[in-house]
Amino acid sequence: DTAVSQTPKYLVTQMGNDKSIKCEQNLGHDTMYWYKQDSKKFLKIMFSYNNKELIINETVPNRFSPKSPDKAHLNLHINSLELGDSAVYFCASSQGTSGLNEQFFGPGTRLTVL
Amino acid sequence: QKEVEQDPGPLSVPEGAIVSLNCTYSNSAFQYFMWYRQYSRKGPELLMYTYSSGNKEDGRFTAQVDKSSKYISLFIRDSQPSDSATYLCAMTRYSGAGSYQLTFGKGTKLSVIP
Repeated sequence: DTAVSQTPKYLVTQMGNDKSIKCEQNLGHDTMYWYKQDSKKFLKIMFSYNNKELIINETVPNRFSPKSPDKAHLNLHINSLELGDSAVYFCASSQGTSGLNEQFFGPGTRLTVL
Repeated sequence: QKEVEQDPGPLSVPEGAIVSLNCTYSNSAFQYFMWYRQYSRKGPELLMYTYSSGNKEDGRFTAQVDKSSKYISLFIRDSQPSDSATYLCAMTRYSGAGSYQLTFGKGTKLSVIP
């Protein structure tokens, strides 16, 4: 049974389009995250939600808008897609926000913007 | 200068070799130190964590932290082909509002040749 799942796995789209990526966790965790991994494999935090509230919002363009309808879901909507948005986007979750809480990652969504 | 520096490799070793992976960091605020392993086209998974200077051993893996030098290492003994993956160092610091932020190194790609 998958702990952290993401849909879709692959997303190929044209510049200027709007797209969404969905994430669900069945671990009962309170905290969820979105990370971006670029072509050089550098993994960087974008957003973090705790109990549906935004707690980390790194320097990310306004075109990216996360939404947490409930504690088990964290979606990412991207407006006006640009070439530089091409990357693998990972969702993760943890039990709480402590520095020692293990983060469990989903399989990633590979976004290609043409 | 990036907060966390990690030699991206790639690193190729024969089966049975001892592998040493290293990261340096510049921010003294980092409190907890982790190593994640990422297989190709998968999400990262936690391998080991520690929060104090010294060594921590888990089977063939040893994590070492030297806070005075701002340097962390992961040693893999008797390396196996199944250890072939990208290894990412990661560390957390308090980011306010009761939450901690995880910062990753770029990852080192390891190949263990049979």
